[in-house]
Amino acid sequence: NAGVTQTPKFRVLKTGQSMTLLCAQDMNHEYMYWYRQDPGMGLRLIHYSVGEGTTAKGEVPDGYNVSRLKKQNFLLGLESAAPSQTSVYFCASSPRGQPQHFGDGTRLSIL
Amino acid sequence: GDSVTQMEGPVTLSEEAFLTINCTYTATGYPSLFWYVQYPGEGLQLLLKATKADDKGSNKGFEATYRKETTSFHLEKGSVQVSDSAVYFCALSDPTGYSTLTFGKGTMLLVSP
Repeated sequence: NAGVTQTPKFRVLKTGQSMTLLCAQDMNHEYMYWYRQDPGMGLRLIHYSVGEGTTAKGEVPDGYNVSRLKKQNFLLGLESAAPSQTSVYFCASSPRGQPQHFGDGTRLSIL
Repeated sequence: GDSVTQMEGPVTLSEEAFLTINCTYTATGYPSLFWYVQYPGEGLQLLLKATKADDKGSNKGFEATYRKETTSFHLEKGSVQVSDSAVYFCALSDPTGYSTLTFGKGTMLLVSP
């Protein structure tokens, strides 16, 4: 019973590099979300998806892209990483209208 | 837009002390309210929720009451344990939208033996 699984758990990038964070959920949830957590800022929504093939912008979408090609997966991409994107990234999923379930996070450092 | 304000931490208590973490919100309409807890190195876990005015959410000895008149959702526990040491987040969600969460900045709780 994995729930929400995020890959990788840790990553260090150089400025300008690209990478993709993977979120997978095995609960058949319709909705999926990506947040970033920064010290003193709480969690802020980056992008979200309300179903396979759909995505929408959250509070802080700039510099990120997402895709939801399969219901169980939600990918977060950084095309050209910047130091300001150093953060802990959390993925979450939920059934429609129900509380969200969170993964354990990906700690990303950009040098 | 919607916002959540919670007391700054850290909150430091001795074991068996009474806990209150204040949370107030600003929102249009009638949001659902949540408390999430984050233990070190882990993701967020739902602690409790309330979906309408005067509802009381409770779990693991923690309680919070949805107060529409004061736009508050304060978290309380009568007797904290060392194992309650964590970061606590208050959050709201627009039930008419896509369940996106607006979080407070989090309050760290440190409980000593």
